[in-house]
Amino acid sequence: EAGVTQSPTHLIKTRGQQATLRCSPISGHTSVYWYQQALGLGLQFLLWYDEGEERNRGNFPPRFSGRQFPNYSSELNVNALELEDSALYLCASSVGQGNSPLHFGNGTRLTVT
Amino acid sequence: QKEVEQNSGPLSVPEGAIASLNCTYSDRVSQSFFWYRQYSGKSPELIMSIYSNGDKEDGRFTAQLNKASQYVSLLIRDSQPSDSATYLCAVNPTSGGSYIPTFGRGTSLIVHP
Repeated sequence: EAGVTQSPTHLIKTRGQQATLRCSPISGHTSVYWYQQALGLGLQFLLWYDEGEERNRGNFPPRFSGRQFPNYSSELNVNALELEDSALYLCASSVGQGNSPLHFGNGTRLTVT
Repeated sequence: QKEVEQNSGPLSVPEGAIASLNCTYSDRVSQSFFWYRQYSGKSPELIMSIYSNGDKEDGRFTAQLNKASQYVSLLIRDSQPSDSATYLCAVNPTSGGSYIPTFGRGTSLIVHP
């Protein structure tokens, strides 16, 4: 069974640019979660998508946005990049029920210079 | 605000010893609890799930849950240097349809030969 896949692995952008990160969930999983993990910090919840709808978002500015496609894959967009956006962005999927664990992809390392 | 607390460590144990990792949570309605292992620069990997009070064993790992005390722990028997990683506790609030896991900041474990 293929795991959660994320692309690209690394992304280098300059301040003010836009970044697009992509995620394909495990087959059969309808929920996709995005987390940000800045260096030395814990996982900060960004966005949750389920069945194509945004279900919840964390305490991040509106320049962080995303969507989920009919095949349940997802993309995260970050506009007007700032230096502090540099972090590991993790996508995780689950079967969409409250007692299900998350399965993480390998992450996208975003560096903003 | 829902919180998950872990001692950041590092917890240092000799090879072959038992490592004990602890986690407390604030949301009494939480029903699902997970432990993840995260190696430096990598994504979290699910190692244990527990849903009922008591102990759950899987190989060298034992998860313990006490809902009355809002406490969950992970024991690693016969610790190996390859167990050196950060261990994340995650709690799912399964009420209200908001299935957003809350993660602790993790405990760094160092197993020395």
